[in-house]
Amino acid sequence: DQQVKQNSPSLSVQEGRISILNCDYTNSMFDYFLWYKKYPAEGPTFLISISSIKDKNEDGRFTVFLNKSAKHLSLHIVPSQPGDSAVYFCAAASRRGSQGNLIFGKGTKLSVKP
Amino acid sequence: NAGVTQTPKFQVLKTGQSMTLQCAQDMNHEYMSWYRQDPGMGLRLIHYSVGAGITDQGEVPNGYNVSRSTTEDFPLRLLSAAPSQTSVYFCASSQPGGEGDGYTFGSGTRLTVV
Repeated sequence: DQQVKQNSPSLSVQEGRISILNCDYTNSMFDYFLWYKKYPAEGPTFLISISSIKDKNEDGRFTVFLNKSAKHLSLHIVPSQPGDSAVYFCAAASRRGSQGNLIFGKGTKLSVKP
Repeated sequence: NAGVTQTPKFQVLKTGQSMTLQCAQDMNHEYMSWYRQDPGMGLRLIHYSVGAGITDQGEVPNGYNVSRSTTEDFPLRLLSAAPSQTSVYFCASSQPGGEGDGYTFGSGTRLTVV
């Protein structure tokens, strides 16, 4: 059973508009969440993270929101740029539990059109 | 600063052959992991290590062995390759700490088993 779910396989957005990528999780032991960006033929690169003691973390154009009661997080990209076109993975970990491993969602392919 | 280095980048194996995928990191990270990425499946954890001499199984460990004799290296061994092991393999490392300590991924090894 999937512990981290990204239910939208793809998302298309116009340049300059907001991109919102969603992620749900089922394991209440998760207390640390990360977003990764992946271009074809490259490894994933770390984008932004949030711990369960916060409900928002912002880094430039990227903001991650965490709703613990709903077990839901989202990544907002404002404004979206064509270079943001990539696959975005949501990942979760339990810092109090098994260290050293992340559980990933299946990814959402974002296309930002000029 | 090399980060995480994976070799080889591409490999074709015949069913039943064995091989080792190499992973090395120069950041003195404690944690290292191996993931495989398959279409529509996201990244799935194979094995991970929280320090030299310590390894554990992830979600999909069958058919793979690992060892961690040094902090820098974390090789992944395929004992008897099968077509189901055709995938892109990513090695990652991280250092436990505060928020924002994302994992660093290598650029991947694309393995085809025929």
